[in-house]
Amino acid sequence: QQQVKQSPQSLIVQKGGISIINCAYENTAFDYFPWYQQFPGKGPALLIAIRPDVSEKKEGRFTISFNKSAKQFSLHIMDSQPGDSATYFCAASSGGSYIPTFGRGTSLIVHP
Amino acid sequence: GAVVSQHPSWVICKSGTSVKIECRSLDFQATTMFWYRQFPKQSLMLMATSNEGSKATYEQGVEKDKFLINHASLTLSTLTVTSAHPEDSSFYICSARSQAGLYEQYFGPGTRLTVT
Repeated sequence: QQQVKQSPQSLIVQKGGISIINCAYENTAFDYFPWYQQFPGKGPALLIAIRPDVSEKKEGRFTISFNKSAKQFSLHIMDSQPGDSATYFCAASSGGSYIPTFGRGTSLIVHP
Repeated sequence: GAVVSQHPSWVICKSGTSVKIECRSLDFQATTMFWYRQFPKQSLMLMATSNEGSKATYEQGVEKDKFLINHASLTLSTLTVTSAHPEDSSFYICSARSQAGLYEQYFGPGTRLTVT
């Protein structure tokens, strides 16, 4: 049972455009929602994270939107750049184990 | 801050031999470390969780006698792949967290293992 569903699997965006990646979760006990960025041959790096007490969090060009009632959250990358080309994973964890459940990942390609 | 290193970054070994991968937290004390395996174009698969000074907890389906995990200090965990076979070839990634931030995991750069 996949507890965190991520879409799309791949995404192609032109430079300067907005990249949007969506995730949905089922476990209402989840209370921490991070996004990770992974470049080929490298480990994932924490990009931005949100807790369910806020609906939006912005850090630079990256914004998480969170909809608790719909059990959905999304990553928006504004003014996408070729250097943003990477695989992005959403995740969710709860205060029980604190171990994240990862989505399947989205491969983002930003064309110059 | 929160830097995690792995060594080696890549390793090639012959079938039947064992290989050890080190994971170090460089600027914080890692009370818990995790080992993941990642296949090409797939998500991270948690293999085991280890707390400093305790035996590792393995996820279902992971052979604990094949993947030996040691977390002897607050800055070092090792994964030993014993009697490696070609199907063990994969990208192995460790992560670490401190007691101060239970939700935040910091990942190492990964180790590419190729078994010939």
